[in-house]
Amino acid sequence: DAMVIQNPRYQVTQFGKPVTLSCSQTLNHNVMYWYQQKSSQAPKLLFHYYDKDFNNEADTPDNFQSRRPNTSFCFLDIRSPGLGDAAMYLCATSREMDSPSYNEQFFGPGTRLTVL
Amino acid sequence: AQTVTQSQPEMSVQEAETVTLSCTYDTSENNYYLFWYKQPPSRQMILVIRQEAYKQQNATENRFSVNFQKAAKSFSLKISDSQLGDTAMYFCAFGDTDKLIFGTGTRLQVFP
Repeated sequence: DAMVIQNPRYQVTQFGKPVTLSCSQTLNHNVMYWYQQKSSQAPKLLFHYYDKDFNNEADTPDNFQSRRPNTSFCFLDIRSPGLGDAAMYLCATSREMDSPSYNEQFFGPGTRLTVL
Repeated sequence: AQTVTQSQPEMSVQEAETVTLSCTYDTSENNYYLFWYKQPPSRQMILVIRQEAYKQQNATENRFSVNFQKAAKSFSLKISDSQLGDTAMYFCAFGDTDKLIFGTGTRLQVFP
């Protein structure tokens, strides 16, 4: 089945220790997204890639970076995690559609990050 | 900028009954898409139903249907014959060019 895969599902890191979360997709979608979701809140978009074009949300901290080496993979790097970065991180994909804008997104299961 | 409002933080319903979750939004666009996503506890977010704004007919997917009122900018979700597996967070979302604008969510609890 075509899907969005996130590894690991649970990640524990120490305060200030860099961490990388990964996402892969078999849907061949050209748009990939990273969201941060804190408990009982809506997902908050961090950034997205349209093919190789990187689009950062204005309020995404510099502490968060992303890489997309190819269509299938996308990585979220947190350079110096703080306690406030503990959250679920969701990866999603969508395919480009012609007008009207259409943005059904397919989500991965998420990676729950704990910062000690 | 588009905004999405879900005014019901929590709802509950008895199994087999019907429940309606509310959503309103604000936009100046004419063509757009609206979505309801479901996020069960500790499980991934999945699409429940979508509505194209240029279609007048309300979308239906089995037990799930929407009441789309374009002029009022309202997009409610009706769940008929509620099942225990419907227990989840439900997010209303507006499709904006290259991203989704989510509401704050409604936590639905289905009781036996």
